[in-house]
Amino acid sequence: AQKVTQAQTEISVVEKEDVTLDCVYETRDTTYYLFWYKQPPSGELVFLIRRNSFDEQNEISGRYSWNFQKSTSSFNFTITASQVVDSAVYFCALSEALYTGANSKLTFGKGITLSVRP
Amino acid sequence: EAGVTQSPTHLIKTRGQQATLRCSPISGHTSVYWYQQALGLGLQFLLWYDEGEERNRGNFPPRFSGRQFPNYSSELNVNALELEDSALYLCASSRTSIDEQFFGPGTRLTVL
Repeated sequence: AQKVTQAQTEISVVEKEDVTLDCVYETRDTTYYLFWYKQPPSGELVFLIRRNSFDEQNEISGRYSWNFQKSTSSFNFTITASQVVDSAVYFCALSEALYTGANSKLTFGKGITLSVRP
Repeated sequence: EAGVTQSPTHLIKTRGQQATLRCSPISGHTSVYWYQQALGLGLQFLLWYDEGEERNRGNFPPRFSGRQFPNYSSELNVNALELEDSALYLCASSRTSIDEQFFGPGTRLTVL
């Protein structure tokens, strides 16, 4: 069975601080996808990134960066120079790519509530 | 390009009633997914429809059901509502079953 653990429940930082959100996953599949979503107070989940299990390259997108390490089953997310607009709940998710390659369902972590204070 | 849309935004029902939630995927997307976000339980996978067929379902009782129409829109039906069904129901769509899922704004269902 697949599982995603986000051990941090709430993080509070001051604007311009860097913050790292941790994600640890468990799966028996060798082919899987990892995701990060952002849920602002409006409730809509906003897609941030998807990585497949064969691509361990780190990714940077503006102030966002992701560190994928299969050796520790982790997919951590760092926000550099945080801003008030980054305040939201962040979810890490996993989907096991069936032998057909389909990522049918997402298994989510419990989410991390990030508060960025001015 | 319009995103995933869901209706209604809010729905209030009483215990024992039935609720119908609707979802329109992004144009060109054929897969639709339903998730429940209940307080304290997190986001849980409910159902996946692709090309009109139910492909997978989560660990929910049979009173949670749905369908996907020829235009790929989808309906989630919850029968015999219970208080614990109160939650935000999120619909997502993907272009194909191997592409990333994009979520709608959700329907907040309250069962009194």
